[in-house]
Parts: sequence; C-alpha cells; structure tokens
Amino acid sequence: DGGITQSPKYLFRKEGQNVTLSCEQNLNHDAMYWYRQDPGQGLRLIYYSQIVNDFQKGDIAEGYSVSREKKESFPLTVTSAQKNPTAFYLCASTARGTGRLNTEAFFGQGTRLTVV
Amino acid sequence: QQQVKQSPQSLIVQKGGISIINCAYENTAFDYFPWYQQFPGKGPALLIAIRPDVSEKKEGRFTISFNKSAKQFSLHIMDSQPGDSATYFCAAPSGAGSYQLTFGKGTKLSVIP
Repeated sequence: DGGITQSPKYLFRKEGQNVTLSCEQNLNHDAMYWYRQDPGQGLRLIYYSQIVNDFQKGDIAEGYSVSREKKESFPLTVTSAQKNPTAFYLCASTARGTGRLNTEAFFGQGTRLTVV
Repeated sequence: QQQVKQSPQSLIVQKGGISIINCAYENTAFDYFPWYQQFPGKGPALLIAIRPDVSEKKEGRFTISFNKSAKQFSLHIMDSQPGDSATYFCAAPSGAGSYQLTFGKGTKLSVIP
C-alpha cells in the first residue's frame, strides 16, 4: 500500500542533543513537508521541499534542518538550537500540479518528541 | 502569506445534531479548498474538498458550503455521531502555484451521546 511512514513514533531527547526524525513515502510525490503541531496552534510549517536537493524554510524553521537527497525521503533534524522541541511532528507529501493534486496532502502517523 | 481563520476553536454537539465549522481565507487565487480530519495520535487525512466554481459539495453526512464573495467555506456534519469526534482543519494553498498549504488552527469536535 502507498503511504508515508514516519519513525520513530515516540522519541525522547536530552538537553543539548540533536535528533533526527525519519519520513519515507512511496507515493511518488514530488513535494514533501514537515509540520509541527502544538495544542491549540494547528499545524505550523517547518520546511518543505518541491524537488530533490532543494528545500525551503517554512514559518518556524529556526532550530531545525532537513535534507532531500532522495525523492522518497525527507528527514528532519531537531537541533540543540531548538529551545522548545517538545511537540507532535507530522510529515506530509503532495503531488505536483494544481487543484486537488497539490492540496490533497497525505500525512504520516506522526512522531511525538519529548525533551527529558 | 495566506491567512486562514477557522472557528470555533472547540465545539460540543449532541449525537444526531448538526456540527458547523467555518473557515475564512484571504487570497482569491485558489482552486481547491479542503477539510482535513484528525483523530488523537494520528496524522490528518483529507475528508472532503471543494472547487470554487461550485457552491456546495456533499459526501454522505459531510457537506462543504462555499461562499466566494464572502471568502468563506464551511463544513457541515449532519446527524453527528460520537465517531466524528476529532479535530478538523481547513486549509488553503499559500499562493498561486504554491505547494505550501496553510492550515487553520483547528476545531476540536466532541459529539456526546
């Protein structure tokens, strides 16, 4: 079945540590996204990528980094510079195009990151 | 950047009632308006969407109403069921040709028996 796989489901980070969240898709989608979800804040865009080897900052990119070396993969690193990383992180992808193609986002099941 | 304003923030409806969630947007150059449904601990999933050249779209108990002149679209859930309890998000592209989706802040719906 086609879809998006995020791992791990739960992740614990110590102060000052970098952690990487995995996101893989087999939908052959060009665009991939990372969102952060906090209670009452909706979904806030961290980074997005439209094609391999290219990515753009979203609204809250500070303290995060990404790479897009393969079409299928878009890992997110939460660096020690992110002072409040505890949140639910969601990866998504869309096809290239207009209308339904680039507004029907497919989401992974999320990674819950907690600072300990 | 596109702003998408969603209301209410939370909604409690009795089983069998009608749930109504509203969304207002700014940019008129959009060609598709989706609603997403998210259950606790899961990622959102597309529920229903509408093109701006129609005023209403119905899929089962879910209906989108679109008011182009007012720049608003709303989600109506008829005969609401406890299984509909979830968080609902509207979304719009952040600009013409943009791949970014801007989401509303979400509405937490609770359907009580």
